[in-house]
Amino acid sequence: SAVISQKPSRDICQRGTSLTIQCQVDSQVTMMFWYRQQPGQSLTLIATANQGSEATYESGFVIDKFPISRPNLTFSTLTVSNMSPEDSSIYLCSVEDPFSSYNEQFFGPGTRLTVL
Amino acid sequence: QQPVQSPQAVILREGEDAVINCSSSKALYSVHWYRQKHGEAPVFLMILLKGGEQKGHEKISASFNEKKQQSSLYLTASQLSYSGTYFCGTDRGSGGKLIFGQGTELSVKP
Repeated sequence: SAVISQKPSRDICQRGTSLTIQCQVDSQVTMMFWYRQQPGQSLTLIATANQGSEATYESGFVIDKFPISRPNLTFSTLTVSNMSPEDSSIYLCSVEDPFSSYNEQFFGPGTRLTVL
Repeated sequence: QQPVQSPQAVILREGEDAVINCSSSKALYSVHWYRQKHGEAPVFLMILLKGGEQKGHEKISASFNEKKQQSSLYLTASQLSYSGTYFCGTDRGSGGKLIFGQGTELSVKP
C-alpha cells in the first residue's frame, strides 16, 4: 500500500491564525480525502481533492474556511483559516490504495491541532 | 446519514469473541472497517464490496448483507492488541467518500 505522511504532526495555534497541513504520498493517487476527527468523536469528511480541479466540499464545510490545494498526484494541503477553539481536532488525509482494485483507503498519521 | 454501530462499547477477556455491527439506512456500495488506538490514526482492517468480494486482515472476518445494508465484524479469540475503537465507514458509490459510524470501543482484559 501507499505510504502517507503528514506535516506537522501536531501544533498549538492562537485563535484567528491559519495553519496549513501537508499530505504527501509516495505513489500517484487520483483522489485524496481530508477528514476531521473532533475529540472523542468519529471521523467526518471535509472534502475530496482531485488533481487539476477544485476540491469538492461536504455539507457544513466551505472553501473560505478550509482551502485545499492539489498541485500534483502525490501532494495536497489543507488550510484551517481564522481558527477558533472549535477547530481543535485531528486532521487526517486518506487515499485509495493505488495498487489494489478494491479501493480500500488508508489514512495518514494525522495532524493534531489545538487552538487556544 | 451516519451509519449506526452497535454495541457502543464492549469489554472482553482475552480469548473471548465479539461481534460489532454497522447498519445503514441507505443502499451501500462497500463497507470499510478500521481500528483506531488512542492517539493514533485509524488502521484499515477490512473492505467488503457489493457483490460479495472482500479483502482484509487474515485474522478478522466480516460479513455484508446488501439487502439489509448491514455489516458485521467478527473478532474471535481476542488478544490484548485488539483493544481500540472500531469504526465502520460506508460508501454509497460516491467516489470513495466514506461516512463513518460513531465507533465501538473494545477493551480486551487479561
